[in-house]
Amino acid sequence: GQQVMQIPQYQHVQEGEDFTTYCNSSTTLSNIQWYKQRPGGHPVFLIQLVKSGEVKKQKRLTFQFGEAKKNSSLHITATQTTDVGTYFCAAMDSNYQLIWGAGTKLIIKP
Amino acid sequence: DAGITQSPRHKVTETGTPVTLRCHQTENHRYMYWYRQDPGHGLRLIHYSYGVKDTDKGEVSDGYSVSRSKTEDFLLTLESATSSQTSVYFCAIRHRDRAYEQYFGPGTRLTVT
Repeated sequence: GQQVMQIPQYQHVQEGEDFTTYCNSSTTLSNIQWYKQRPGGHPVFLIQLVKSGEVKKQKRLTFQFGEAKKNSSLHITATQTTDVGTYFCAAMDSNYQLIWGAGTKLIIKP
Repeated sequence: DAGITQSPRHKVTETGTPVTLRCHQTENHRYMYWYRQDPGHGLRLIHYSYGVKDTDKGEVSDGYSVSRSKTEDFLLTLESATSSQTSVYFCAIRHRDRAYEQYFGPGTRLTVT
């Protein structure tokens, strides 16, 4: 079945450094969603990308959908302690259900 | 948070016992989902519902059953719990007014000893 590969599994950054997580699929995606899960919390919807080459920004977060609609990325500029958590991508399959990446955990170095 | 609650929030049970988890929503959304979350696997769909008495299997449905007798309640049952079902279980809804966005309950941490 459809799979979404997300890398890296963990990323350790100093506060103020940038963070990026990537999602890749071998098949063309109809859309892709991004969620954030704080430690001990539940996933929270961030954004949905639908169009080829789409770029959306939310303050320090930049989301991109590849031209071929097979990959997506989330980039955070100048990380802050409030950014700590795990970021998931999720792609919609042909039955309109979400297929989730394994997540990238953002860890701020002390 | 789309008014989603889950109960219980924590449960410890023994292998072989039946367990039922409840998801309750207050905003009349049609689609409801049960996921399990394990380290390194992201979220995996167990079952979902697209209306009262309308349910279907997800990726990891073996050992689980569901029921939806009312729009607001979606129950997940482990007929005979096994240690491999130790996990965090999340219920979610698909928001009827926001294309395909899912909103999650707070989760239930289940430990099977």
